[in-house]
Amino acid sequence: RKEVEQDPGPFNVPEGATVAFNCTYSNSASQSFFWYRQDCRKEPKLLMSVYSSGNEDGRFTAQLNRASQYISLLIRDSKLSDSATYLCVVTAQTGANNLFFGTGTRLTVIP
Amino acid sequence: EPEVTQTPSHQVTQMGQEVILRCVPISNHLYFYWYRQILGQKVEFLVSFYNNEISEKSEIFDDQFSVERPDGSNFTLKIRSTKLEDSAMYFCASLDRSSYNEQFFGPGTRLTVL
Repeated sequence: RKEVEQDPGPFNVPEGATVAFNCTYSNSASQSFFWYRQDCRKEPKLLMSVYSSGNEDGRFTAQLNRASQYISLLIRDSKLSDSATYLCVVTAQTGANNLFFGTGTRLTVIP
Repeated sequence: EPEVTQTPSHQVTQMGQEVILRCVPISNHLYFYWYRQILGQKVEFLVSFYNNEISEKSEIFDDQFSVERPDGSNFTLKIRSTKLEDSAMYFCASLDRSSYNEQFFGPGTRLTVL
């Protein structure tokens, strides 16, 4: 059973579109939740942490539903520079904070 | 802005050879990690390190792997006898618990085993 599951996409959207990514995780004891962004052949970079109350950072909104073990990311007004792979990430329940990654959802924003 | 650095950026080796991948975590971080990403696959946790010892390791991190913090700055991953399936991107990460558990990743070392 996969720890973190994501729709791999690809999502091809026009500039200015709104796009939503979803993710589910299997371990109900997971402590922390994140969205990372990974450009081709680069390292993952933190996009935003995800809290139960939901959080927003500019054009990006993340939501967490602990009961459903479901995480989402909404990108509004897509830019060409948003083209990347978006990784849903959760931590283990242990203290070492190891990260479990989903396979990622590939987004291409088209001019 | 402080960053995690890794060397080399690309390492090519023959099967059965030993390799050492090097990382310099951010200086005030206390938790260190190695992850790997096989081409086209997800990022996978290998090992976490704190207070000069392994905190946790995954099933991937078998006896062929070891980690060390030989001095106050470097954090190394050694693979004793490389296999073809060890070919991957290896990422080092470090964590400062005070920054909301954000792990900062290095640029990675691409390991190619021939």
